Amino acid sequence: KAGVTQTPRYLIKTRGQQVTLSCSPISGHRSVSWYQQTPGQGLQFLFEYFSETQRNKGNFPGRFSGRQFSNSRSEMNVSTLELGDSALYLCASSRETLNYTFGSGTRLTVV
Amino acid sequence: TQLLEQSPQFLSIQEGENLTVYCNSSSVFSSLQWYRQEPGEGPVLLVTVVTGGEVKKLKRLTFQFGDARKDSSLHITAAQPGDTGLYLCAAASYNTDKLIFGTGTRLQVFP
Repeated sequence: KAGVTQTPRYLIKTRGQQVTLSCSPISGHRSVSWYQQTPGQGLQFLFEYFSETQRNKGNFPGRFSGRQFSNSRSEMNVSTLELGDSALYLCASSRETLNYTFGSGTRLTVV
Repeated sequence: TQLLEQSPQFLSIQEGENLTVYCNSSSVFSSLQWYRQEPGEGPVLLVTVVTGGEVKKLKRLTFQFGDARKDSSLHITAAQPGDTGLYLCAAASYNTDKLIFGTGTRLQVFP
């Protein structure tokens, strides 16, 4: 059974650029959640999608956005990148509420 | 804002020692989870506790949910180097499906 797949694993971007990260959930899982992990703030909730609709949203600026497709795959986009956006971005999928399986994450470095 | 405080923040011990990690909050939660995260990977779910006072065992790991559903503990007996990692508690409140993560405890077990 394939796990949660996040691409790319590593990314280096310049300040001001935008970036799109991808998450393919486990087959049959309709909920996808995104988290940002940094050494200082820990794991911070970004948003959750279920059946192509954003169901929950964290306290991040509008530069952070996401979407979910009909096959449950999800993308998150960060526009006008700042140095502070450097982090490990984690995606988690679940079939039922809160029974999460995480991907290995995308390590984003903004220079 | 709901906060989950974990203690200690760092723990370095010798193989064979016992340890306890705590997760505390002023909020009441519907359920609480414990995860372990290894470098370069996403968190892996260890256990979910849902009933106040509940105790669950997973081999050498014992998890307890506080009677008031505000706190939890993780006890490891006879720690092994393979237990090394970042331990995270996470909880959901009654009025949201959003999972809030604790500040984390970084455990290192030396042979």
